Amino acid sequence: DVKVTQSSRYLVKRTGEKVFLECVQDMDHENMFWYRQDPGLGLRLIYFSYDVKMKEKGDIPEGYSVSREKKERFSLILESASTNQTSMYLCAAKRIFQPQHFGDGTRLSIL
Amino acid sequence: GNSVTQMEGPVTLSEEAFLTINCTYTATGYPSLFWYVQYPGEGLQLLLKATKADDKGSNKGFEATYRKETTSFHLEKGSVQVSDSAVYFCALSDLGGLSGGYQKVTFGTGTKLQVIP
Repeated sequence: DVKVTQSSRYLVKRTGEKVFLECVQDMDHENMFWYRQDPGLGLRLIYFSYDVKMKEKGDIPEGYSVSREKKERFSLILESASTNQTSMYLCAAKRIFQPQHFGDGTRLSIL
Repeated sequence: GNSVTQMEGPVTLSEEAFLTINCTYTATGYPSLFWYVQYPGEGLQLLLKATKADDKGSNKGFEATYRKETTSFHLEKGSVQVSDSAVYFCALSDLGGLSGGYQKVTFGTGTKLQVIP
């Protein structure tokens, strides 16, 4: 079974910090995604990647960037964290024509 | 663009009650449809899927039928258990951007189900 691992379950950072969220998948899937989940808003796509070094903006990319230097790893970067980026962040991996596989999420608090 | 609309929750049911969570979608082309479940403190897990019209996805007693004529994919279960308490997400995946090897997935806002003994 596909395993998607997010580096932290809970993270607390301060405003203005640069924050890195890491995601690793073990099944050589081409597509990887970063979402944030907020009450009443469901999942909103931040960025996705369909290959190494390839990235595309999702619906809410502002304030975020991503890095995919290796196929198995997809990093989400908050360049200068702000309180409105407090949220649950979910990483997913997917093979074409197959469903997504999700990590357990990182609950990020920005103080 | 694509969209998924699902009934707002929370939905509270007694154990062994019948469950329906409505989901309708808007999409161009022929999307695949999914139900995901999120248990407290966890990420999303695929519950079931359907890839073409009239397909029925089923898993763990849950069922949903891909209805193209009504653009719906309602989730049903005949007898819910306390362990089914979770948030349920309806989603669709289309073939847009296929040239880039990418399929965009659109999620509904989620429906929280609480089952009481």
